[in-house]
Amino acid sequence: DQQVKQNSPSLSVQEGRISILNCDYTNSMFDYFLWYKKYPAEGPTFLISISSIKDKNEDGRFTVFLNKSAKHLSLHIVPSQPGDSAVYFCAASGGSNYKLTFGKGTLLTVNP
Amino acid sequence: EAGVTQFPSHSVIEKGQTVTLRCDPISGHDNLYWYRRVMGKEIKFLLHFVKESKQDESGMPNNRFLAERTGGTYSTLKVQPAELEDSGVYFCASSQDWVDTQYFGPGTRLTVL
Repeated sequence: DQQVKQNSPSLSVQEGRISILNCDYTNSMFDYFLWYKKYPAEGPTFLISISSIKDKNEDGRFTVFLNKSAKHLSLHIVPSQPGDSAVYFCAASGGSNYKLTFGKGTLLTVNP
Repeated sequence: EAGVTQFPSHSVIEKGQTVTLRCDPISGHDNLYWYRRVMGKEIKFLLHFVKESKQDESGMPNNRFLAERTGGTYSTLKVQPAELEDSGVYFCASSQDWVDTQYFGPGTRLTVL
């Protein structure tokens, strides 16, 4: 039973445009959400996170939005750059449960 | 500051053999995690150490997997005997406190033939 779902295996956008990556979760106990970026042959790199007490967190070109009622979060990248091309993983943890539950990832390709 | 390191980067073994993976966390990080990604699937939690103690090993697939963290520094994950379904990428991550961001190593790609 997959508790964190990334329904789009891949996304392709033009350089300079907005990239929107989506993530849905089913476990109501999750209260902390993260996005990791992964390049081939490397480990996941932390990108940005959001606590369930917020609905938005921004860091430079990256913004994460959380809709608790819909159990949905999204990552916006504006403007997108070719170096952003990577696999993006959504992850969640809950309460005293520190372990991360990951989605399957979305491959983002930013075309020059 | 050095990041999380893992050794080896790749390992190819025959079914029934034994393999030991090693993880060196970021210096000073008491929390160490093991995760695994089987091809086409999501990254899944295996276990969590706080210093040398196993805090949670609920994700360990079966008793063929043994994780240790002697002295609370580096950790090893032994698979004995290896089966075909053990193939995948094994990631190690560390954090200073359990509520802190987990930093991942590059992973060890294990192939069982």
